Amino acid sequence: GEDVEQSLFLSVREGDSSVINCTYTDSSSTYLYWYKQEPGAGLQLLTYIFSNMDMKQDQRLTVLLNKKDKHLSLRIADTQTGDSAIYFCAESKGATNKLIFGTGTLLAVQP
Amino acid sequence: DAGVTQSPTHLIKTRGQQVTLRCSPKSGHDTVSWYQQALGQGPQFIFQYYEEEERQRGNFPDRFSGHQFPNYSSELNVNALLLGDSALYLCASSLTGAGNTIYFGEGSWLTVV
Repeated sequence: GEDVEQSLFLSVREGDSSVINCTYTDSSSTYLYWYKQEPGAGLQLLTYIFSNMDMKQDQRLTVLLNKKDKHLSLRIADTQTGDSAIYFCAESKGATNKLIFGTGTLLAVQP
Repeated sequence: DAGVTQSPTHLIKTRGQQVTLRCSPKSGHDTVSWYQQALGQGPQFIFQYYEEEERQRGNFPDRFSGHQFPNYSSELNVNALLLGDSALYLCASSLTGAGNTIYFGEGSWLTVV
């Protein structure tokens, strides 16, 4: 079935690292994405990883993929108040790149 | 280079009415997908258009229809609006093929009263 799960809420202090976790069900998914959504706004693409990779780093963002456990994580180093938002992971299915989204994780950064 | 643009930004409609939402994809992109995001939930795939044809459809009734024009822009039409259609409607654009980056617009907020 199609199901992507995320924890609902994460609270961190400014300057700490944040780790947002996601599990997906379809081992045939080819790409996995992370999007950020600020209040009242659309989705901002943060990064994505191909399913044959274990890790991808992009500035403060590190994505780890454990394909065996179907587990994806997003680590944000030196978290800032501007990082407060909802973070969605999504798996893409097939050549059409249809995205299946999780329910989102609300990240609250305390000053 | 403009990103994905959507219009209108906000609109209010009455039950039973019809609505048309518009999307212009990012320059160079040929594929447009539409998603519905209800409050507090993740986006749900409605359908995808490529080469002016609906290529894939999610679990949405026939009241939801769309169109893609030769310039790759797209419209989403919803007929016989229900209160439950109130949501943020997001347009995503990409270049056809697996693994290409998928960009979203800011969305159209639809309220049905």
